[in-house]
Amino acid sequence: EPEVTQTPSHQVTQMGQEVILRCVPISNHLYFYWYRQILGQKVEFLVSFYNNEISEKSEIFDDQFSVERPDGSNFTLKIRSTKLEDSAMYFCASSAGTSGTQGQYFGPGTRLTVL
Amino acid sequence: RKEVEQDPGPFNVPEGATVAFNCTYSNSASQSFFWYRQDCRKEPKLLMSVYSSGNEDGRFTAQLNRASQYISLLIRDSKLSDSATYLCVVNGITGGGNKLTFGTGTQLKVEL
Repeated sequence: EPEVTQTPSHQVTQMGQEVILRCVPISNHLYFYWYRQILGQKVEFLVSFYNNEISEKSEIFDDQFSVERPDGSNFTLKIRSTKLEDSAMYFCASSAGTSGTQGQYFGPGTRLTVL
Repeated sequence: RKEVEQDPGPFNVPEGATVAFNCTYSNSASQSFFWYRQDCRKEPKLLMSVYSSGNEDGRFTAQLNRASQYISLLIRDSKLSDSATYLCVVNGITGGGNKLTFGTGTQLKVEL
């Protein structure tokens, strides 16, 4: 069964450093997403991406965040200057079409720890 | 009012029991609805979509009441492996087509 993959599984960084989280969505999917989950809290939407551009973003997704699809398979989330409050699990997801009745499929996540 | 509201639980039930979870959502214009399952420190996994007519997948039955903005999940004959957090998820709650809005989840513990 095809699945979303993410690397690394755990990233530890110092406050102020840049991090890039990587994702390989399911191969025939066209819509890509990033969500985050702070420990003990609910899953929160960050950004959706379609046709090489951002289609929607949340208030969390400020100028410190960016996304890119550098090639035909990878989808990345960059945080330019990490803050302590960026510590969370970051999930990448993909869907074949607009979520409709199909839902979105999530990768295993990258646990980001900012020290 | 929270966008998606769930009873956090935990629901502790014996193996073989039937258990029901409920969820309400705030925006009547929401487009589609799902139940996801999340195990501790793992990713959300799609359990099932929820349709207005109600739908069933094995031991799981989901219902949607658009008039009351209410979603339910029924699990029959619960197994130990059903222990997890069940997330009520709504798509398009703010009018956008692809933003999933999650509830905080209801924790289920199935015991021997």
